[in-house]
Amino acid sequence: QSALTQPASVSGSPGQSISISCTGTSSDIGAINSVSWFQQYPGKAPKLMIYDVNNRPSGVSNRFSGSKSGNTASLTISGLQAEDEADYYCNSYTTSRTYVFGTGTKVTVL
Amino acid sequence: EVQLVESGGGFVQPGGSLRLSCATSGFTFSTYWMHWVRQAPGKGLVWVSRINTDGSSTNYADSVKGRFTISRDNAKNTLFLQMNSLRAEDTALYYCARGARDHYFTDVWGKGTTVTASS
Repeated sequence: QSALTQPASVSGSPGQSISISCTGTSSDIGAINSVSWFQQYPGKAPKLMIYDVNNRPSGVSNRFSGSKSGNTASLTISGLQAEDEADYYCNSYTTSRTYVFGTGTKVTVL
Repeated sequence: EVQLVESGGGFVQPGGSLRLSCATSGFTFSTYWMHWVRQAPGKGLVWVSRINTDGSSTNYADSVKGRFTISRDNAKNTLFLQMNSLRAEDTALYYCARGARDHYFTDVWGKGTTVTASS
């Protein structure tokens, strides 16, 4: 159950688009379309931003979108805003009926 | 309003035990799978365990299998995590989370309770 691999940090200027990758294996991301993404501010609980690869819960900005190709999922934030500065984690269900999170990515708005 | 409130965290010596609770409200608890997720200080999220609606099926991360037991009391709308043989590496903020119906993701989280295993 190794963690999914994410870049440690990604940065962008306001208004730009950034993408965060999340690489797993054929036993998790590659096997099932059950990838979700969470946003976490310091000292706060995680918040669901994307589920089932590319679906947004009610209330989440349409600036957030998700995709998947093979064993890699991605989260894209378009029109980057100061409030998007946070940690982001991917998560996948696995063929072992467990779950695995990504290593986490710190997004910095320059 | 859906609410999840964890409790039971604290300071324990390595080898000791703790029982975490997660009191829920605002939804029909007995119809949702539930999860525990933890986060060590300054580190990332780690999935710990999940339980099905009636408690008959459970899954665990390898790191806690055989030491932790997840359970639930549907009459009291409460989720539990019994943690035995605690290790220093179990030190973390433990979150309770609701599993989304008919999907494999968690949609609502509590604020967490802190467990510290140290001598």
